[in-house]
Amino acid sequence: AQTVTQSQPEMSVQEAETVTLSCTYDTSESDYYLFWYKQPPSRQMILVIRQEAYKQQNATENRFSVNFQKAAKSFSLKISDSQLGDAAMYFCAYRSSNYGGATNKLIFGTGTLLAVQP
Amino acid sequence: EAEVAQSPRYKITEKSQAVAFWCDPISGHATLYWYRQILGQGPELLVQFQDESVVDDSQLPKDRFSAERLKGVDSTLKIQPAELGDSAMYLCASSPVRTSGNEQYFGPGTRLTVT
Repeated sequence: AQTVTQSQPEMSVQEAETVTLSCTYDTSESDYYLFWYKQPPSRQMILVIRQEAYKQQNATENRFSVNFQKAAKSFSLKISDSQLGDAAMYFCAYRSSNYGGATNKLIFGTGTLLAVQP
Repeated sequence: EAEVAQSPRYKITEKSQAVAFWCDPISGHATLYWYRQILGQGPELLVQFQDESVVDDSQLPKDRFSAERLKGVDSTLKIQPAELGDSAMYLCASSPVRTSGNEQYFGPGTRLTVT
């Protein structure tokens, strides 16, 4: 079974600085998707960035980028020029690309609570 | 912008009572998910629907939980009887298709407290 581990329960960053959130995962599959979701307090979870395992190029979305190391099964999120609105719980998630399978559920880590200091 | 709707947002119930949550996915989304998020943990899938059919309910405690999506649109998740350990956030999500890396869109959740 696949697992996702986030070893940093809490992180803090100064406004305008850069922070990196860590995520490791375990799987025997070769094709899959990885995601970072953001969950602001009392608001719905939204997708931050997505990475397809078959793509070697790291995904980027504006100030958000990932460092995907497939062999090491590592998927970290870098937030540049941090803003107050970035404060939230961040979840790393794994999803199989098992097209013939029954489910495509997301498997989440335990989350990292990011605080942004003004 | 279309969003997943959930109600109620908060629910307090006593142990052994019945409770129900409702979810209305984004229009046209065939796949609907119910996740449970216990405080301090990541969400875990309870049940997945493809249209009106259950695709995965392997983690659903079927002795007390039930879920339905009768017309393949909105869905109801029921707990009867509720137990103290059911206190959690219940998240509904939807996606356009079942396969590929399509994004799952989440609702705001229902926070359940069982006393």
